[in-house]
Parts: sequence; structure tokens; C-alpha cells
Amino acid sequence: GAVVSQHPSRVICKSGTSVKIECRSLDFQATTMFWYRQFPKQSLMLMATSNEGSKATYEQGVEKDKFLINHASLTLSTLTVTSAHPEDSSFYICSASPTDRAMNTEAFFGQGTRLTVV
Amino acid sequence: DQQVKQNSPSLSVQEGRISILNCDYTNSMFDYFLWYKKYPAEGPTFLISISSIKDKNEDGRFTVFLNKSAKHLSLHIVPSQPGDSAVYFCAANKGSGNTGKLIFGQGTTLQVKP
Repeated sequence: GAVVSQHPSRVICKSGTSVKIECRSLDFQATTMFWYRQFPKQSLMLMATSNEGSKATYEQGVEKDKFLINHASLTLSTLTVTSAHPEDSSFYICSASPTDRAMNTEAFFGQGTRLTVV
Repeated sequence: DQQVKQNSPSLSVQEGRISILNCDYTNSMFDYFLWYKKYPAEGPTFLISISSIKDKNEDGRFTVFLNKSAKHLSLHIVPSQPGDSAVYFCAANKGSGNTGKLIFGQGTTLQVKP
């Protein structure tokens, strides 16, 4: 099956600093990737759609200047949490679907990144 | 506005019995539904999906039923095994092609007791 790798799996940073999270599709190409956030005991909430070679599309209520998304290649999307604050502490997960429609149409998720801002 | 709802936060069943997880949705534009299994501190793992043109899809021990008129779907696991213990998320998608853009329910924690 398709594999999506996310790095780092866990990061602790100081308030005010920036953190970059990488999402890679290891064995398929993905023109579109998605970033989700999950707070404790809550559902996964879509933050933004990452589009290769163009600007990301953000969901309502998500600050695009705070959560910078770059999708520079067909296998890599990055999410940078800028000027992180404790309330940004959460579990961030990326997903991708193969551009090749011959594969299954379900989305494949990375392992997630636990961000703790102190 | 919770468009996908899983009203049961938890479910406990005995090993070997059937587990039934329920999901309701409000948006009639949803045309593809998926179930994911998730362990703490890990990403969701795909289990099974169903298109809105079907009312049932079966894969081994997992069967998903869709009732479009009631805007309701359910996941049946039979027989349940202790390894099935996890959080199960129902997710929906609208519009073909963009299947990664999912709206998730709140999740149901399933505990299968040996």
C-alpha cells in the first residue's frame, strides 16, 4: 500500500519559535496533500489543502500567516508553525492521495507529529 | 457545525461478538464514506469505504452499511478481536477526485474484552 511519512513524530519548542513539519509520499506522487490537526479527545480537523506548485487553500478560521504550507514537489509538503504559542500544541497529521487514479482512492495518513509548545 | 457525527464516544464488546459503530451525517452532498482506525499518537489507518451508490461493502471481518435516506452508516466488525481495540473515525467526502479532503466524526473508542 501507499506510504506517507511524517517527520518529526514529536517536537517540543519554546514559545515564539517556529517549527517545520514534513510530509512525504514515499511510493507515489501526490499533487495534493492535506493537513489536519487533532486536539485531545477531539476529531481530526482539516486545516488546509496543500497544492503542488501553487498556494495552499486554508479552511475557515485557520491563519495562513501562522501555518505556512509549502508543496515544492510531488512528494513533499511542509507545514511551518510560525511564532508558536502554547495553544498551538496539538497533534498534526498530513494525508495524501495518489495522483494516479488507478490506485485506491482512500487517503493515506502520516504518523502524525505531536507538537508541544512550552 | 458537525456535519459528521459519531454519537457514541465509546463501545465495549466481548471478544468474538459483533461490534457495531454508528455514524450520522447531515450533508446530502457527501458521496464517499470511509472508516479509519487510530491508535494514540499515530495517524489513522484506512479500514473500509463505501460509495454513495452502494448500500453495503464487505471486506473480511469488516462490513460497512449505508442508509442514504437516513443519512446513516455503520461499521460492523465480526468477530471482534482484542486487537480491534482503538478509536474508530467515520469520515465523509464530497465531490469525486478530491478524496483526501475529509470531514471526520468525533470518533468512537472501541474496547474488545478478551
